[in-house]
Amino acid sequence: QKEVEQDPGPLSVPEGAIVSLNCTYSNSAFQYFMWYRQYSRKGPELLMYTYSSGNKEDGRFTAQVDKSSKYISLFIRDSQPSDSATYLCAMPGRSGGYNKLIFGAGTRLAVHP
Amino acid sequence: KAGVTQTPRYLIKTRGQQVTLSCSPISGHRSVSWYQQTPGQGLQFLFEYFSETQRNKGNFPGRFSGRQFSNSRSEMNVSTLELGDSALYLCASSLGQEKDTQYFGPGTRLTVL
Repeated sequence: QKEVEQDPGPLSVPEGAIVSLNCTYSNSAFQYFMWYRQYSRKGPELLMYTYSSGNKEDGRFTAQVDKSSKYISLFIRDSQPSDSATYLCAMPGRSGGYNKLIFGAGTRLAVHP
Repeated sequence: KAGVTQTPRYLIKTRGQQVTLSCSPISGHRSVSWYQQTPGQGLQFLFEYFSETQRNKGNFPGRFSGRQFSNSRSEMNVSTLELGDSALYLCASSLGQEKDTQYFGPGTRLTVL
């Protein structure tokens, strides 16, 4: 079993829809969580970064963490065609390996006009 | 501020050859991490260098090696290439402390024939 599980999709939604992207993880030692966005032929870029359980909002994006269930989510409101990309959840490795990110498989999202 | 740059962007090699990839981090960043991205395995951590020392290592064979220079630029070498080494190789730079954001380059697309 992988340490971080993420449905690879693809996910296809109409413009304006609310998108929900999810990851589960197995290691309860993970303390903080990241969402990266990767456009085709580009490197991943950090979207959201959160420590604690609960919600964190940034514009149209909301990151949600439920440590008791080992479940994290990214919500995109009013989705736009420019949101079409692959979304990857990531967590830093254990004990000092904090630059050793463990990524989910990535969910490919397509937002249609 | 210039972003992370990687050279070359595309590379074609044959089995058995070796290859060297280069990464120039953002100015002031002392940590460089390398990742391999494939459709089957996703993004996987290779190793991290900080101040010219390997600080973390992933689960890759010894054919994969790297180094970092005093100006923080890093190189990654793969010897005796195999077909399965075909991938996008990404490097990421950061200041190197816990919770610092990692900034990814555009990657080098390696094809092994």
